[in-house]
Amino acid sequence: GQSLEQPSEVTAVEGAIVQINCTYQTSGFYGLSWYQQHDGGAPTFLSYNALDGLEETGRFSSFLSRSDSYGYLLLQELQMKDSASYFCAVGSNTGKLIFGQGTTLQVKP
Amino acid sequence: GAGVSQSPRYKVTKRGQDVALRCDPISGHVSLYWYRQALGQGPEFLTYFNYEAQQDKSGLPNDRFSAERPEGSISTLTIQRTEQRDSAMYRCASSSGLAGNEQYFGPGTRLTVT
Repeated sequence: GQSLEQPSEVTAVEGAIVQINCTYQTSGFYGLSWYQQHDGGAPTFLSYNALDGLEETGRFSSFLSRSDSYGYLLLQELQMKDSASYFCAVGSNTGKLIFGQGTTLQVKP
Repeated sequence: GAGVSQSPRYKVTKRGQDVALRCDPISGHVSLYWYRQALGQGPEFLTYFNYEAQQDKSGLPNDRFSAERPEGSISTLTIQRTEQRDSAMYRCASSSGLAGNEQYFGPGTRLTVT
């Protein structure tokens, strides 16, 4: 089977850095994706890691260690608009994505 | 350009009725995915298509659920003989590549079965 674990809630202050971890158990692993979802909105794609290492996209970075079945999303210079749910998702070679339960990030002033 | 669209956005139906949910993917996207999302949970995979071929339907809860994408573009998810437990947000996503690494989600259809 496939399973992902991520913290249910994280709180941080504006301007800070926050890291959201994700550990996974899966067969046929093909990469780790991250999605952001604001209340009442649709999930939006943030990043994808197929290989070990760090991928940087503006204020957001994502890291993967395949040997540890672990990844994280790093958000820098937090803004109030970053308050949302963040989902990690593992992909298989068939295109199927399995999502974690999500981490609710609350950014405080 | 236009994103993924879904219709209807809201559907209220009585138990036992059939419903059809429509997804119009981004033009040119070859892969299309259906998910169900409960409040406070991540999207739960239902099924997906590459072009018109259904590649994986392992997430469909039971045989009351079916999906099609006959011309490789618009897709319909049909739920027959709806039950209250079918109430949820149903989301569609599409991707330009077959690997589905970067998926674009539609606004969803909120289904309520009374």
